[in-house]
Amino acid sequence: GAVVSQHPSWVICKSGTSVKIECRSLDFQATTMFWYRQFPKQSLMLMATSNEGSKATYEQGVEKDKFLINHASLTLSTLTVTSAHPEDSSFYICSAVGLAGTKETQYFGPGTRLLVL
Amino acid sequence: AQSVTQPDIHITVSEGASLELRCNYSYGATPYLFWYVQSPGQGLQLLLKYFSGDTLVQGIKGFEAEFKRSQSSFNLRKPSVHWSDAAEYFCAVGAAGNKLTFGGGTRVLVKP
Repeated sequence: GAVVSQHPSWVICKSGTSVKIECRSLDFQATTMFWYRQFPKQSLMLMATSNEGSKATYEQGVEKDKFLINHASLTLSTLTVTSAHPEDSSFYICSAVGLAGTKETQYFGPGTRLLVL
Repeated sequence: AQSVTQPDIHITVSEGASLELRCNYSYGATPYLFWYVQSPGQGLQLLLKYFSGDTLVQGIKGFEAEFKRSQSSFNLRKPSVHWSDAAEYFCAVGAAGNKLTFGGGTRVLVKP
């Protein structure tokens, strides 16, 4: 149980285009999902907190108009990178909060690798 | 503010030898602590977590970690490593269900 999927697993796009990444909790409902970015050989940095039915909360330094987050249902959150540029190339990982016993736990998706040419 | 430090960027260990990865944290309240493993190009897999109770936590794949409040540490150990343990390991701190702060990671290389 507690499986999180991401689609696509990798994407290559031209500079200036928009890219949408989906994060789904497959066998549980998640009112909260998180989006992280990981540059090569670096750690994960939280970008934003996505709450179902409300606006996302962005971390300092993350442009909310560039990284659009929509959490339309309890099993789906999307991250849209608008007008992507080469510096947006990164590994994007989502997580969904579910219950492990009585404790809330983050379950991570497999990640989406974005390459902007 | 919460923070996590993993002092070792790389560790090389021989197959069959023991492994210990260090993690120090800073957190204003009782921390929830996690260890994740990431294979190249993959997402994160939870190895173990500490919320409360017994300070020695058992996880998957033969890993364990010990929470030491006095030292603000949560070190990960494995008595005998396998070649498949070569990966990047991340320590993280946060409240359950809330955003996590990750350490910089430790890359483990396993020698035959």
